[in-house]
Amino acid sequence: DAGITQSPRYKITETGRQVTLMCHQTWSHSYMFWYRQDLGHGLRLIYYSAAADITDKGEVPDGYVVSRSKTENFPLTLESATRSQTSVYFCASSEGTGAPNQPQHFGDGTRLSIL
Amino acid sequence: QQPVQSPQAVILREGEDAVINCSSSKALYSVHWYRQKHGEAPVFLMILLKGGEQKGHEKISASFNEKKQQSSLYLTASQLSYSGTYFCGTPDSNYQLIWGAGTKLIIKP
Repeated sequence: DAGITQSPRYKITETGRQVTLMCHQTWSHSYMFWYRQDLGHGLRLIYYSAAADITDKGEVPDGYVVSRSKTENFPLTLESATRSQTSVYFCASSEGTGAPNQPQHFGDGTRLSIL
Repeated sequence: QQPVQSPQAVILREGEDAVINCSSSKALYSVHWYRQKHGEAPVFLMILLKGGEQKGHEKISASFNEKKQQSSLYLTASQLSYSGTYFCGTPDSNYQLIWGAGTKLIIKP
């Protein structure tokens, strides 16, 4: 089925470890996004990508790395995880040319706990 | 700058109406509305664009006042399925969405 899938759904890791969250979409949407959601903060944009090989920082990019070698995949890597990065991470995609007049479609999220 | 949503939470009986507001300190190009149920992903409801165009949900209406830099979401004859947290999002200078903190809506039978 077409859609956007994230993996893993749940992850527990330790401080200092590297962890990669995966995101895959089958719509061929040009835009993809990574958000983190913490209680009381709503959604905060980490990184976004307008197309393959084009990525840009969002509001809270520190400590994260992204890549987009193929249109359908947009992995997010925490290079050295810290407890403050414990959160729920959502990947989203949308059509569009840059102006935000298209809906964003979200994956089911990854619940990441860093001990 | 993050848009401000009000109220933070509202409790209704099934069949009652609710209004959720979203205000920005900046001029608005568009406003997005999403609903998120507990433990699930946000789901798109509606986009309101400058000039009056709307895209989205058939049973939920919204207004967009460009001069006042605010939008309101109207939930009429609420159903149990309307429960959840409602988020508005407004574009920043890079045309990416900045999200409000959410309004939690609880519908009781």
